[in-house]
Order: sequence, then structure tokens, then C-alpha cells
Amino acid sequence: EAQVTQNPRYLITVTGKKLTVTCSQNMNHEYMSWYRQDPGLGLRQIYYSMNVEVTDKGDVPEGYKVSRKEKRNFPLILESPSPNQTSLYFCASSLGGTQYFGPGTRLLVL
Amino acid sequence: AQSVTQLDSHVSVSEGTPVLLRCNYSSSYSPSLFWYVQHPNKGLQLLLKYTSAATLVKGINGFEAEFKKSETSFHLTKPSAHMSDAAEYFCVVHLSGGYNKLIFGAGTRLAVHP
Repeated sequence: EAQVTQNPRYLITVTGKKLTVTCSQNMNHEYMSWYRQDPGLGLRQIYYSMNVEVTDKGDVPEGYKVSRKEKRNFPLILESPSPNQTSLYFCASSLGGTQYFGPGTRLLVL
Repeated sequence: AQSVTQLDSHVSVSEGTPVLLRCNYSSSYSPSLFWYVQHPNKGLQLLLKYTSAATLVKGINGFEAEFKKSETSFHLTKPSAHMSDAAEYFCVVHLSGGYNKLIFGAGTRLAVHP
């Protein structure tokens, strides 16, 4: 089954404790991206990757890092999380403009 | 600059009545436009997309949208609402070329009452 998976689905952490949210797709898509969703703001792009070893900032990259060492994986790294990064995060991969979203990761930073 | 405006943050309808969710866009190019739906505690699912072919686009679950260039609109409609349509709906513009980026509207929450 074609899908995008994210782990963990839910995470509660404390300020400053590094965390990684994994994302994997099995559709061989070159383009992947990360979004955060906040009430009233829709989805905003954090980072995107056009292919392996090619990443770039989206609209709200501050406080986040990504890497793309393999085509299928695109982890999101929060080196020192802060409460304003409490949000719902979505990973997506795309082909020809149509994006396929993962199920989301709900993060709470205390 | 490209942007998307969803004109209603909340829409409430009775089951069996028509649904209209409004979306206006701003784009320097002929855009690709999408509607996504997000059910509670779920990810986003593609409803339909417009990519410069027919201006009336049919999607899943009986939804359709009409691209009107003169009005820069891409409103989503359904003739008869069902309880299962209660969800949040996002209108999205796709920037192609070197960007391959989506710009999301803020979303419209649809409530369906018995």
C-alpha cells in the first residue's frame, strides 16, 4: 500500500530536549516536505527536499533541521524544542504537485 | 505574491442541504489548485485538483469545484451534505517549477447538523 508514515504519532517532551520525528514514504517520490498545522493558520511549510541531499527552507524553518540521506526518509529534528513548537506536524511526499500526507505527529513541548 | 483566502472559517449546514465552501486565490501564473479534507484526528486527504484542463472538477464523495479565472475563485460544492462530511477543508495553490510548493488557506470547518 502506498503510504507516508510518521513516528511517533504523539509526543510530550520538555523544553531543550532534542527530538526527532521520522518520516518515510514507499512511493519513490523525489519531493518531500514538512508542515506544521496551527489553529487558524492552515499548514505552513517548514522544510522541503527536492531529492537526496537536497533540502531547503520553507516558510517557518527556525528551530528545525532536516536531513535527506535516503530517498524514502526525511526526518525532522528539533535540537532544542521550545513551547512555541507545540503543534501538529505533517510529513508529505509528492508527485506532480499532488501531495500525499502522513497521519500527523502531535507534539507538546512543556 | 501567491496567496489563498478561504472566505469562511466555519460553515454550518443541515444534512441533505447544499454545501458551498468559498476560496479565492492570487497567483501570477495559471495555478494548480487543490481541495484537501481533514477529518478529526486524521491526516489530509486529496478531494480534487484542477490542473488547467476542464474548469469543473469532480472529486471524491460527490464534491466538485469550479475554476473561475475571471473571479480568481475555486469554490467547493456538494449538492447534498452528509453527516460524514463534517471536517475541515483546505483550499491549496500549487507553485510548480523550481518551488514545487503548496500554499494553504487557513481552512474552513464544516459542521453538518441532523
